[in-house]
Amino acid sequence: DAGITQSPRHKVTETGTPVTLRCHQTENHRYMYWYRQDPGHGLRLIHYSYGVKDTDKGEVSDGYSVSRSKTEDFLLTLESATSSQTSVYFCAISEPGGEVGDYNEQFFGPGTRLTVL
Amino acid sequence: TQLLEQSPQFLSIQEGENLTVYCNSSSVFSSLQWYRQEPGEGPVLLVTVVTGGEVKKLKRLTFQFGDARKDSSLHITAAQPGDTGLYLCAGVDPAAGNKLTFGGGTRVLVKP
Repeated sequence: DAGITQSPRHKVTETGTPVTLRCHQTENHRYMYWYRQDPGHGLRLIHYSYGVKDTDKGEVSDGYSVSRSKTEDFLLTLESATSSQTSVYFCAISEPGGEVGDYNEQFFGPGTRLTVL
Repeated sequence: TQLLEQSPQFLSIQEGENLTVYCNSSSVFSSLQWYRQEPGEGPVLLVTVVTGGEVKKLKRLTFQFGDARKDSSLHITAAQPGDTGLYLCAGVDPAAGNKLTFGGGTRVLVKP
């Protein structure tokens, strides 16, 4: 199994407070991703990183920011949490093999369940 | 953004029965992946299909990629309670930097 940990695993917070979720990998993979999972929506990409300090937005990035100061760590921050951000958050990593045969197969962490009251 | 639709959303069967899960899109993907997710855990990659018409087998699981690379199916033969979980398909979109687009998932319950 790929070495991916997420912390915290569970968090309850109040509307308007800042929240930071951490993803840590021991695989030295270049790409890291943050997804949220909600019933009926599968997984939706929030932000991703393709290297240290290199990040880009996904399809549901509003209200979220990310930072990657080291290869192994990718942080997701909710600047001011809202109830609509109650979800399960997953971090994933991949190491694409280049344009030919690049299937972007991803390995996922165990998830963080976030409840915003 | 390309969309992937999975059907059915929920499937409950008895042990020993067969089942098929479908993943459909109006768009072409360069490849398609299937993941299985168990409660409280992250998705785990089962297989990647790449070529139109490709069929891959993983023990009792058979995966097929449509000829036009717009759809895929997962067939489980003689399902067992251990097959219970959420099955997710994900397409690789070369026009979007090879990011994955996930379907909504099919929850499978295999009763003993």
